[in-house]
Amino acid sequence: NAGVTQTPKFQVLKTGQSMTLQCAQDMNHEYMSWYRQDPGMGLRLIHYSVGAGITDQGEVPNGYNVSRSTTEDFPLRLLSAAPSQTSVYFCASSYSGRETQYFGPGTRLLVL
Amino acid sequence: GQQLNQSPQSMFIQEGEDVSMNCTSSSIFNTWLWYKQDPGEGPVLLIALYKAGELTSNGRLTAQFGITRKDSFLNISASIPSDVGIYFCAGRRYGGSQGNLIFGKGTKLSVKP
Repeated sequence: NAGVTQTPKFQVLKTGQSMTLQCAQDMNHEYMSWYRQDPGMGLRLIHYSVGAGITDQGEVPNGYNVSRSTTEDFPLRLLSAAPSQTSVYFCASSYSGRETQYFGPGTRLLVL
Repeated sequence: GQQLNQSPQSMFIQEGEDVSMNCTSSSIFNTWLWYKQDPGEGPVLLIALYKAGELTSNGRLTAQFGITRKDSFLNISASIPSDVGIYFCAGRRYGGSQGNLIFGKGTKLSVKP
């Protein structure tokens, strides 16, 4: 198993550009989530999904969209990037919301 | 929003020393998790706790789910250089959104110069 994979590893965007951060898992996990990590802030939940076709907002959802068309994939979309979205983004998955989550390696995003 | 208070924020260790860190919350949690993050990597789960009073070990690491359900502790015995990194606690509240984990801000472990 590859576990949780994320692409790209690094990305530089200009303000106003859009992009999609990819996340995939091959463990047949129902639950997937996106976090952002900022210095001194720990990890904050952006959006999560309890299964294909179902998504919900986390603590900091503004400026981000998600969809879950398959069990394996959970992309995170930035429609119009802002400098405040400069961060490290982590995707995580688990069998259910009550099981321990496994994290991907992260995507480092810089918005100029 | 809900926050976990994790302390200390940082600490320096000397090889062989024991290390302790903790997390506290104003809410009752039904799950406590401890993660370690190495530079440039995602967090890796160390220990999961599911019952108040539970004491669980993973090698030199021992974690406890506080009896009040509002705190958790992580101890590392006989530290070694590879213990360096950032340790995060995470908790899940009773009645919270399914799977919604709340993370502490981390304890950064460094080696004494």
